[in-house]
Amino acid sequence: AQKITQTQPGMFVQEKEAVTLDCTYDTSDPSYGLFWYKQPSSGEMIFLIYQGSYDQQNATEGRYSLNFQKARKSANLVISASQLGDSAMYFCAMRPMDTGRRALTFGSGTRLQVQP
Amino acid sequence: NAGVTQTPKFRILKIGQSMTLQCTQDMNHNYMYWYRQDPGMGLKLIYYSVGAGITDKGEVPNGYNVSRSTTEDFPLRLELAAPSQTSVYFCASSYEGSSNQPQHFGDGTRLSIL
Repeated sequence: AQKITQTQPGMFVQEKEAVTLDCTYDTSDPSYGLFWYKQPSSGEMIFLIYQGSYDQQNATEGRYSLNFQKARKSANLVISASQLGDSAMYFCAMRPMDTGRRALTFGSGTRLQVQP
Repeated sequence: NAGVTQTPKFRILKIGQSMTLQCTQDMNHNYMYWYRQDPGMGLKLIYYSVGAGITDKGEVPNGYNVSRSTTEDFPLRLELAAPSQTSVYFCASSYEGSSNQPQHFGDGTRLSIL
């Protein structure tokens, strides 16, 4: 079984500053993928970034980077230079890579509010 | 580029009624999924399918049924609606040829059972 824990129900950040959203996970699968999704108030799920468990380098996608610490089982999302449009719910998710069941297990999310 | 399309976007049902949530994707993805999202929570897997004719239960399948007769379509059926099924329902799809493929989500169906 897999479990994702997001311990920050809500976060505030000033516009143009960086923010880190925490994610820890637990799994017995030897190979897995970690994902972050953004859910704005309009409700859609937007894929942000992916990290594979065997990837040597931390993933980056524009202003998003993933601070992956495998030994600590953490996969924190870092958003640099926050913008007002970054205000949303953020979900960390994971799935195994070596089985036929590729469905995502989600955390409970973190609500980020960017203040001007 | 439609991606994953869900209909309807909103629906109110009475207890005991039935309905089908429609989901179709035009990306030729082999994997499809149904999730539900309760208020303030993350998504939980209801059912998934790895290809036409193949479906399997997820974490919270009770009260739901699915079918997958084509690659494109993956409808979710509620037979006897109960208040506990009030939720937002998301359909997603992915191509599993590569391990880093993200799931693409529809915009969701907001369902209220009264």
